[in-house]
Amino acid sequence: GAVVSQHPSWVICKSGTSVKIECRSLDFQATTMFWYRQFPKQSLMLMATSNEGSKATYEQGVEKDKFLINHASLTLSTLTVTSAHPEDSSFYICSASPDGGRTDTQYFGPGTRLTVL
Amino acid sequence: AQTVTQSQPEMSVQEAETVTLSCTYDTSENNYYLFWYKQPPSRQMILVIRQEAYKQQNATENRFSVNFQKAAKSFSLKISDSQLGDTAMYFCAFIPGGGATNKLIFGTGTLLAVQP
Repeated sequence: GAVVSQHPSWVICKSGTSVKIECRSLDFQATTMFWYRQFPKQSLMLMATSNEGSKATYEQGVEKDKFLINHASLTLSTLTVTSAHPEDSSFYICSASPDGGRTDTQYFGPGTRLTVL
Repeated sequence: AQTVTQSQPEMSVQEAETVTLSCTYDTSENNYYLFWYKQPPSRQMILVIRQEAYKQQNATENRFSVNFQKAAKSFSLKISDSQLGDTAMYFCAFIPGGGATNKLIFGTGTLLAVQP
């Protein structure tokens, strides 16, 4: 149980295009999901907290118009990187907290590697 | 500022030996949650162990145990009988404020290599 999936697992796109990454909780509902960014050999940096039915909360320094987050249902959150540029190339990871579970519990997706040419 | 510091960028241990990974954190709050996560080459984040700050007893999970020193704000991870599958990046992390926000703050990680 408690599986989180991400799609796609990797994507290559041209500079200037937009890319959408999906995060799904497969066997639980999650009002809250999180999006992280990880550069090579570095730690995870929280980008935003995604709340079902409301606007995402972005961390300081994260451009909300650049990284659009939509939490359309209790099992799906999407991150859209708009007008992607090479500096947006990174590993993006989502996590989800099960509703009704421990507030400190997060289950992580397998990540999406984005390469912008 | 609430931060997590891992002072060992890389460590190596022989198979079947014991290794301890260090972690210190900074917070002014009294209640919080502490974690060790493992990230193997697959990049999938895996929860290794969790500690609640209000509990004095150190958490253990099979071969993994922690040494939680609240006054010193230290939270080290001990891996006993190291196995090749333990090779991974290990991140120390915490959620401040008793879990009210769920926001995980990660350390910079320690790359552990288990040698055969």
